[in-house]
Amino acid sequence: GESVGLHLPTLSVQEGDNSIINCAYSNSASDYFIWYKQESGKGPQFIIDIRSNMDKRQGQRVTVLLNKTVKHLSLQIAATQPGDSAVYFCAENIRGDKIIFGKGTRLHILP
Amino acid sequence: DGGITQSPKYLFRKEGQNVTLSCEQNLNHDAMYWYRQDPGQGLRLIYYSQIVNDFQKGDIAEGYSVSREKKESFPLTVTSAQKNPTAFYLCASSRQGSLGKNIQYFGAGTRLSVL
Repeated sequence: GESVGLHLPTLSVQEGDNSIINCAYSNSASDYFIWYKQESGKGPQFIIDIRSNMDKRQGQRVTVLLNKTVKHLSLQIAATQPGDSAVYFCAENIRGDKIIFGKGTRLHILP
Repeated sequence: DGGITQSPKYLFRKEGQNVTLSCEQNLNHDAMYWYRQDPGQGLRLIYYSQIVNDFQKGDIAEGYSVSREKKESFPLTVTSAQKNPTAFYLCASSRQGSLGKNIQYFGAGTRLSVL
């Protein structure tokens, strides 16, 4: 989930298991959500997106679930691999092109 | 090789100095953005431009300036008025995705430090 301050929440997952990264968003008027992956020292990389009129969307090895009732978004990664190790950000689109980013969750893969 | 190129990768600023970060894209995207990222934090919007010769302030524009004279280029100047410039700066451009909304794509970033 999201946190305040310098210390990111960390999720540790065994290689091969599924990962679930959670995000609580702030604005009930947000109509579009995106997940980004950021590896150390690099820019964020787009993973998957979803509109507010959808509950679920699947990509390659990833699924995003949206629960508008509780303003909650999750990213599921199937069969987690060492290359999935990164910080994952959720972002919400409130109006126009403006996107608000969450503070991120660090995914750590255990061998 | 299409993409967003930020330079330099590392930059050092002396007290009272203005420095300019470069961002170039060859993706033919209309909109471009500058973000600042501090350790353990999300991205905060500094400036954005939706079209050539036009740009708007983001949430933390004070101490920064931009120009958009060409579609491909959106340089960011960190002025001496920015008292805490040490951060990782990210440039992005956007295009419409399959869901009809604009997806932002990012460069590799510039890490700015104060000497």
